[in-house]
This record gives sequence, C-alpha cells and structure tokens, in this order.
Amino acid sequence: GENVEQHPSTLSVQEGDSAVIKCTYSDSASNYFPWYKQELGKGPQLIIDIRSNVGEKKDQRIAVTLNKTAKHFSLHITETQPEDSAVYFCAASKNNFNKFYFGSGTKLNVKP
Amino acid sequence: DSGVTQTPKHLITATGQRVTLRCSPRSGDLSVYWYQQSLDQGLQFLIQYYNGEERAKGNILERFSAQQFPDLHSELNLSSLELGDSALYFCASSVEGNSGNTIYFGEGSWLTVV
Repeated sequence: GENVEQHPSTLSVQEGDSAVIKCTYSDSASNYFPWYKQELGKGPQLIIDIRSNVGEKKDQRIAVTLNKTAKHFSLHITETQPEDSAVYFCAASKNNFNKFYFGSGTKLNVKP
Repeated sequence: DSGVTQTPKHLITATGQRVTLRCSPRSGDLSVYWYQQSLDQGLQFLIQYYNGEERAKGNILERFSAQQFPDLHSELNLSSLELGDSALYFCASSVEGNSGNTIYFGEGSWLTVV
C-alpha cells in the first residue's frame, strides 16, 4: 500500500519567518494531496490541497508544491504567525475509494 | 466548524466493555470515514462507508465494527475494549467516495479505557 513520510516531526520558527514541511509518497498512482492543520483538542482542518495535474497551488500565505517525478510534495507557510502553531498533516489518496494515507504529522511552533 | 458532528466528545470506560461512537456527516455528504488517532500511531484509517455500503477497509480490528444508516449517520462500535484502544476517534465525510474528494473531519471522540 501507500506509505507517506513527513518531515520534520517538529519545527520551531520565529514569527515572520517561513516554514516548510515536506512529505514523500511511495505509490505513483496517488493523485490527490491535501494538507490538514490540527489544533489542540480539535479535528484536522483542511488548509490546502493539490491534485496531480498541478505543480503548485497558493492561497495567501500558504502554498503547496508537488513533484510527481520525485514523489514528494511540500507545504510552505510564509510570514508565520503565532496562530499558525499547530500540528500539520499531509496525506495522499488514490484509486476510487478515497482512502487517505496520512503522514505522521509536524508540530509547528511559531515563537512571538 | 466542519459540519461533521460526533458524539460523545469524551468517554471513559473499563476494559472489556463496549461503546458506540456516533457521527453525523455534513449535509449532502454521502461518504463517511472513521479514523483512529493515538499518540504513537498518527491518523489511522479504519473504514469507509458510501451511501450505506462499506466501501473500503483499513486497519480496523475485528472487535470493532461500523455501519452507516439510511439517514447517512454512522456508528462505530468498539467491543471487548483494551487499554490500547484509548485514542481519539475521528469521523470524516465527503460528498462522494471517490479519489480526490475532500474529506472534512469532526472534532473527534476521546475514548479512555481504564
């Protein structure tokens, strides 16, 4: 089955700096890659997603890039703010069953 | 608020017992997913239903079962509970059940087995 690896497991940045989280996947058939933000005690919330026919997608301070050849995708957060502090999960899905495989999560800490 | 409703939010029960977790998907969503999140395992896919039918199965134990009812709400039944079943259980839903459909998570049900 699919294997999604996520790095780093923890990331600490100063407010205003950029943060980058990287994920790799193993199955070239995966074609949809969402990113979720999970705040303490809450459910994961979709923040951005990308499909395999697109190389990059941006939404304000958040961007995601996809390299299908290398089978990796990354989340970029610019001008980080303390409220960006949370755990971020990447995921990949394939086939007709919308079965998602999640990375192990990155705990982002933005220091004021 | 994602629109996915889960009850109960917290549950404490003893080993060997059985519990039922309930999920109401977003209005209009036909597919429901169950995930387990524990500290050392991340988000583990358990099972998916689409319009009342089981669609995909993940790492769901035989002691666990689920179903989706005609009104599209779903229940996850956990029986013969063990200490290791303590975790956060999430329900998610999507409009369809096919690849590329965004899934939206509920707030989760915290299960503590003592």
